[in-house]
Amino acid sequence: SQQGEEDPQALSIQEGENATMNCSYKTSINNLQWYRQNSGRGLVHLILIRSNEREKHSGRLRVTLDTSKKSSSLLITASRAADTASYFCATDGDSNYQLIWGAGTKLIIKP
Amino acid sequence: SQTIHQWPATLVQPVGSPLSLECTVEGTSNPNLYWYRQAAGRGLQLLFYSVGIGQISSEVPQNLSASRPQDRQFILSSKKLLLSDSGFYLCAWSVEGREPQHFGDGTRLSIL
Repeated sequence: SQQGEEDPQALSIQEGENATMNCSYKTSINNLQWYRQNSGRGLVHLILIRSNEREKHSGRLRVTLDTSKKSSSLLITASRAADTASYFCATDGDSNYQLIWGAGTKLIIKP
Repeated sequence: SQTIHQWPATLVQPVGSPLSLECTVEGTSNPNLYWYRQAAGRGLQLLFYSVGIGQISSEVPQNLSASRPQDRQFILSSKKLLLSDSGFYLCAWSVEGREPQHFGDGTRLSIL
């Protein structure tokens, strides 16, 4: 079953605005990861945050993790048309061998 | 650097026909390998994963099977395709199970 759940399911904003997506999960984790998927393509890993970290940055991406609330957020600042994609969170949960995936947030950046 | 190749990109098959999708990884040894299926607008459904040659774990009982004949080769097969097998199939690899996964470009499978 899916552990991660992203919200919103879809988000449409103007270019230049910030986009925030959220992910909730159910069990304890070692790490949480965010991925991007352009339409019709494979997923691309964006960032991994470990359970002992609270915030992580990579370029225009900022990820926060609140293990007490079992939630994470992905912030994309100064959005660009090229950021249009679906974004997925994934957690490791109890497994040593697989990730548990959310259903994704579809982000549309309007020029 | 590591690369992953998945083919074909698109496939149209009649119901009841066999299937073979291939995935190969270059530039790394003994990777974990994964096959996923993604329905339109949905998340990923893990079908199979492998932690070594000949070691296959199935997550979803169905008419699909997977094999790993070589360290960096992962094959998804079916003897008889069903309409419900339509979807976007993705292969991925990782160094370890909890670490980032790296995906191929996927195969769009349509069953007629």
